Amino acid sequence: DTGVSQNPRHKITKRGQNVTFRCDPISEHNRLYWYRQTLGQGPEFLTYFQNEAQLEKSRLLSDRFSAERPKGSFSTLEIQRTEQGDSAMYLCASSFVLDATGGYTFGSGTRLTVV
Amino acid sequence: QQPVQSPQAVILREGEDAVINCSSSKALYSVHWYRQKHGEAPVFLMILLKGGEQKGHDKISASFNEKKQQSSLYLTASQLSYSGTYFCGTEFAGNMLTFGGGTRLMVKP
Repeated sequence: DTGVSQNPRHKITKRGQNVTFRCDPISEHNRLYWYRQTLGQGPEFLTYFQNEAQLEKSRLLSDRFSAERPKGSFSTLEIQRTEQGDSAMYLCASSFVLDATGGYTFGSGTRLTVV
Repeated sequence: QQPVQSPQAVILREGEDAVINCSSSKALYSVHWYRQKHGEAPVFLMILLKGGEQKGHDKISASFNEKKQQSSLYLTASQLSYSGTYFCGTEFAGNMLTFGGGTRLMVKP
C-alpha cells in the first residue's frame, strides 16, 4: 500500500485558467475527502465522497469548483477560471467509514499558485 | 463551526510537558488529533469517540469531555520530534472533519 497519492505536487497557473488535480486514495478506503489549506491555517473542508457518491460539499465552495470520483476509485478536483485567492495547498485524504478507531490518511497535497 | 484551539503556540524545552485544548460549540461525535510538520501532510495521532474516554500511546495522550464538548491533548516529557503544528478535527454525526486553526509547538534542546 503506497498511501494516498496526489498529482501534480505543484501547479503554477495564470489567473483565469482551469486546473485539475488528481487523488488516488488507499484502495481499501471508501471515503475520500478534499481539503484546502493556506499558510498558518487548518485544513478547510471542500467536499467528500463515499464510494462514488458525493455526500457533502462546503457551502463556502464556489461553483467554479467541481469534484468527481468515477467508479469510487480515484478522484479529480477541478477549478475553473482560477483566481489569485485560490492559491493554496489542496489536500486529499481517505478513510474507511466502518473503522471507528481509524483516522484520515492524507496525501502530500498539490500546491497551487495562481499568478 | 470550526473548533477553537488553545494555545495558538507553545515553546518547550526537551522533557517539558504541554497541554493543547480543543473546544466545540456543537455536540460532537468524535474528536481526532493530527500533527503536521512543515511542508508535510497531517499525520493521524488518535481518535476519541463520545463517551468521555481517554486514550494514549507512548507519551502522547488525549481526553474527551463530552459534556463540555472539549478535548485535550497531553504531551509529556516532550522530544524534539514532537515539534510541529497540532490540529484537532471535530466530527458531527459521522460525516467529515472540521479542523481547528492549529497549535504550533516548538521543542528546543
